[in-house]
Amino acid sequence: DVKVTQSSRYLVKRTGEKVFLECVQDMDHENMFWYRQDPGLGLRLIYFSYDVKMKEKGDIPEGYSVSREKKERFSLILESASTNQTSMYLCASRPLRAGGYNEQFFGPGTRLTVL
Amino acid sequence: AQSVTQLGSHVSVSEGALVLLRCNYSSSVPPYLFWYVQYPNQGLQLLLKYTTGATLVKGINGFEAEFKKSETSFHLTKPSAHMSDAAEYFCAAFQGGSEKLVFGKGTKLTVNP
Repeated sequence: DVKVTQSSRYLVKRTGEKVFLECVQDMDHENMFWYRQDPGLGLRLIYFSYDVKMKEKGDIPEGYSVSREKKERFSLILESASTNQTSMYLCASRPLRAGGYNEQFFGPGTRLTVL
Repeated sequence: AQSVTQLGSHVSVSEGALVLLRCNYSSSVPPYLFWYVQYPNQGLQLLLKYTTGATLVKGINGFEAEFKKSETSFHLTKPSAHMSDAAEYFCAAFQGGSEKLVFGKGTKLTVNP
């Protein structure tokens, strides 16, 4: 089974802190994604990566950065956390297979509260 | 750009009743479509997907969905709801040439005893 793990299920941080959310997948997937999920807004893409050291902005990248130094690990960084970044953060990975559009596998999520 | 609309942010059914969750997508090109389910405090899990071929797709837990090109719809159904079906359901579309899945805003399903 594909497994996507996230470093924390629940996290509480203070305004202005630098926050790292870690995501690891064990199936050698090329593509990895970070979403935030808010009630009534569904999932919104923050950043994605299709290869090591490669990244692309999603729909709401402001206030976030990412790092992908190894294929299996994709980190989301909040440089200076703010209260409006309180949310559920979901990581996903997806294989890149020619000729097919493949499902994404999701981690369990990190519920971040910024006080 | 692709967009996905889920009609009804909340749907409530009785146990044993038909479940119908609606999803419409916008595109002139047949997309690749998915339904995901999210149980409380968990990540998303794939229910079923449509890529090509048969337009009636069967998924896990007794769910199925029918791709209707003429209606640009991909509604999710289950003949008889179970209490364990209570969750949030997301429709997503994946248009060829793009690396991004576009999600609907979700429908929260409540199943009443």
